[in-house]
Amino acid sequence: AQSVAQPEDQVNVAEGNPLTVKCTYSVSGNPYLFWYVQYPNRGLQFLLKYITGDNLVKGSYGFEAEFNKSQTSFHLKKPSALVSDSALYFCAVRDDNAGNMLTFGGGTRLMVKP
Amino acid sequence: SQTIHQWPATLVQPVGSPLSLECTVEGTSNPNLYWYRQAAGRGLQLLFYSVGIGQISSEVPQNLSASRPQDRQFILSSKKLLLSDSGFYLCAGTVSTGQNTGELFFGEGSRLTVL
Repeated sequence: AQSVAQPEDQVNVAEGNPLTVKCTYSVSGNPYLFWYVQYPNRGLQFLLKYITGDNLVKGSYGFEAEFNKSQTSFHLKKPSALVSDSALYFCAVRDDNAGNMLTFGGGTRLMVKP
Repeated sequence: SQTIHQWPATLVQPVGSPLSLECTVEGTSNPNLYWYRQAAGRGLQLLFYSVGIGQISSEVPQNLSASRPQDRQFILSSKKLLLSDSGFYLCAGTVSTGQNTGELFFGEGSRLTVL
């Protein structure tokens, strides 16, 4: 079975500081990993994904994530946070060895304060 | 590009009234389609998914139902709404990249308030 955990309900960071939103996963095969962002009263928007290859993945709006197989993690990062980055972030995983549906984490609310 | 249109965007309905939320897909054919519910701006609960016309799988027993009358149309319905049906409903479809990664694209959501 596949699962994903976002251990922080909320992350607070000051504008201009680096941010990290954590995600860990569990799969039996190889993972496909995704980050999505949701602004208030909007649908989820795709940020980035890891399928194979380079462990550091760059995505939209200056975000990046690092795939760490030994720690089964896929943390989302940004060197310098903007107030406009404040939103709800979802990590998702699909096990290439089991079915074709994504499993989503519970979401982490990012609050960037000026 | 692949897009999903959902309507209505907002809906206020009395308890016991019927419901119909519609989702249509553009830019791809034969997608897997999904209905999620999100309560209070938190996690996503998968309600239904469909791999093709007339094929519906239910993930959570409830008074909601789903139908897929056409390849690019997915409808969420209820005969009698409950207060607990209030929430933000999201339709999603699989991105057709040829890799079968499971990547999804989402509609803008429909906010349902049951009074």
